[in-house]
Amino acid sequence: GDSVTQMEGPVTLSEEAFLTINCTYTATGYPSLFWYVQYPGEGLQLLLKATKADDKGSNKGFEATYRKETTSFHLEKGSVQVSDSAVYFCALTLNTGGFKTIFGAGTRLFVKA
Amino acid sequence: GAVVSQHPSWVICKSGTSVKIECRSLDFQATTMFWYRQFPKQSLMLMATSNEGSKATYEQGVEKDKFLINHASLTLSTLTVTSAHPEDSSFYICSVRGDGNQPQHFGDGTRLSIL
Repeated sequence: GDSVTQMEGPVTLSEEAFLTINCTYTATGYPSLFWYVQYPGEGLQLLLKATKADDKGSNKGFEATYRKETTSFHLEKGSVQVSDSAVYFCALTLNTGGFKTIFGAGTRLFVKA
Repeated sequence: GAVVSQHPSWVICKSGTSVKIECRSLDFQATTMFWYRQFPKQSLMLMATSNEGSKATYEQGVEKDKFLINHASLTLSTLTVTSAHPEDSSFYICSVRGDGNQPQHFGDGTRLSIL
């Protein structure tokens, strides 16, 4: 079935370190891919998206490229800040059957000053 | 600005009480809204899809008589947790999605604590 797999956390980095959070997916057809971020006690916010193969989504220094050949959508940031500490969710939306969204388990990121 | 308004943000009540959570779409008319439940340090679990003017579609394992959903207008969906018990304590989040495969917009969530 359709699914999203993220690297397990927590991920702990020092400020200004390079961040990669791996995400791979399994889906029929060609889904749209998203990264959402959740700060403590809040709902989810859209971070970036990509709707077709080779698209690169970017926002706030984060970026991810839709790789159809490896079914991946890894999140990267060149220099993290303490304020980036949050939980990051990779998700896909199927383009058929009611456009259901499937979320990964989430990866918690801690950034130390 | 916020696209989705969810209220209340925190509820503490006694076992046996029914609790209503509201989800309002502020920026556009939403024929479909989603209700999720999130346990601590876990991902979102889709509970049901709320359809304006018709019955909600519940995911497998979710009791429709326990979690009543009403989507009476294009901007408001409500989730009522009936006769809540401590095991219903959780973080409930609603979302709204634009047409097709557009990203979802989430409310800030409601933390429900049943004593």
